[in-house]
Formats: sequence, C-alpha cells, structure tokens
Amino acid sequence: GQQLNQSPQSMFIQEGEDVSMNCTSSSIFNTWLWYKQDPGEGPVLLIALYKAGELTSNGRLTAQFGITRKDSFLNISASIPSDVGIYFCAGRGYYGGSQGNLIFGKGTKLSVKP
Amino acid sequence: GAVVSQHPSRVICKSGTSVKIECRSLDFQATTMFWYRQFPKQSLMLMATSNEGSKATYEQGVEKDKFLINHASLTLSTLTVTSAHPEDSSFYICSARTPGQGASNYGYTFGSGTRLTVV
Repeated sequence: GQQLNQSPQSMFIQEGEDVSMNCTSSSIFNTWLWYKQDPGEGPVLLIALYKAGELTSNGRLTAQFGITRKDSFLNISASIPSDVGIYFCAGRGYYGGSQGNLIFGKGTKLSVKP
Repeated sequence: GAVVSQHPSRVICKSGTSVKIECRSLDFQATTMFWYRQFPKQSLMLMATSNEGSKATYEQGVEKDKFLINHASLTLSTLTVTSAHPEDSSFYICSARTPGQGASNYGYTFGSGTRLTVV
C-alpha cells in the first residue's frame, strides 16, 4: 500500500531557530498538503502544493513539492513559541486511473527546548 | 475561507448507547466529506468517504454497521457510532473537500474534532 514517511518524529526548537521537516512517499503524488494540529483540535491547513517543483510560502513557512513528486519539505524560519504543535504532511495521487484519498504522515512534534 | 463545523466537541456516553457526530460545511457545498479517527499521539486514519446522496465508502477494517454515515445534504454529514464500547473512545475528525483552482487543485478543510469517551 501507499506509505508516507515523515521525519523527524519530534524536535525541540529554540526561539529564533529555523526548523525543517520532510515527507517522502513510496509513490508519486499530485498534491502535497501541510497541516498543523494543536492539542484537542482538528488540523489546520498551512500550505497546499499542486505542482512538482512548486515552492510556496505562508509567512515564515515555506514548503516545496519535490521534483520527483515523491517528497516535500516544510521549513519554518525564525521560530516562535507558538510554533509548537504537531505538523502533518499529507498527500494524494492517482491510483488505478482515479484520484486517491489523502494519506497522512505520522507527524512531527515541535516542542520548546527546555 | 472555507469553514467546517463539527459538533459536539466532546461527548461522554455509556457503553451500549449510540452517539451522533455532525459535520457541517458553513460557507460552501461539500459533495464529499471524510471521517477520520485519531488515537493519542497517532496520525489521522481515514475511516470512510462520505458522498452526498450516495452510500459512504468505508476503508478496510472499518465496520460500516457500527459507524453509520449519512450525507443527506450538501452541507451536512453525520457519523453515528452505534452500540459504543470503551474501545471506540477516540478523537473523531471530519473534513470536507473544498473547491480550489481548477478541477484537481481542491483542498481539504477539517473540523475541530470530537473527543468521544465511552464509559
């Protein structure tokens, strides 16, 4: 079946640091989405990518759709305390001639450095 | 932007009873909605795809008689957990396919989730 590997699983951030996380898939995707989920809430869309090579920013967040169409990364620049939370990548592609469902990565948990 | 409202946010029910969760698209029509289940510290797992006016499509391993889905209008899908048991306790999240630019550039907006506790 389709697999989505997201890394790192968790990381600690210090205010002002840049953060990077990525996802790789076992198959080609035509859409990559990045979400943030706070405890007890539903995921909130951060960035949507629809074309290979696409680089999109949303404030301090930047995400890219890999040219192989099997990977995507999310960068957060100059992190602030409210960036803590769980970030999920999600992707979908064509399977058997039809659009597949959205598949989620396992998430990257951002915490503040003690 | 597109808003999906999910209700209730929390519910506690007795074992053996049924619970209904509602998912509404507030400012757009959602022909397709999705229901997810999320265990603590886990990712979202798709349970079923709900299509307006037709039967839901369930993912492998999801009991359709236990998790009843109704998508009777373009703005409302409901998930009913029937004869709930403690192992059904989980965080349930709905999402709706939202229109985007072009036929394939659509997105997904999520509800705020429902924390179900079966005692």
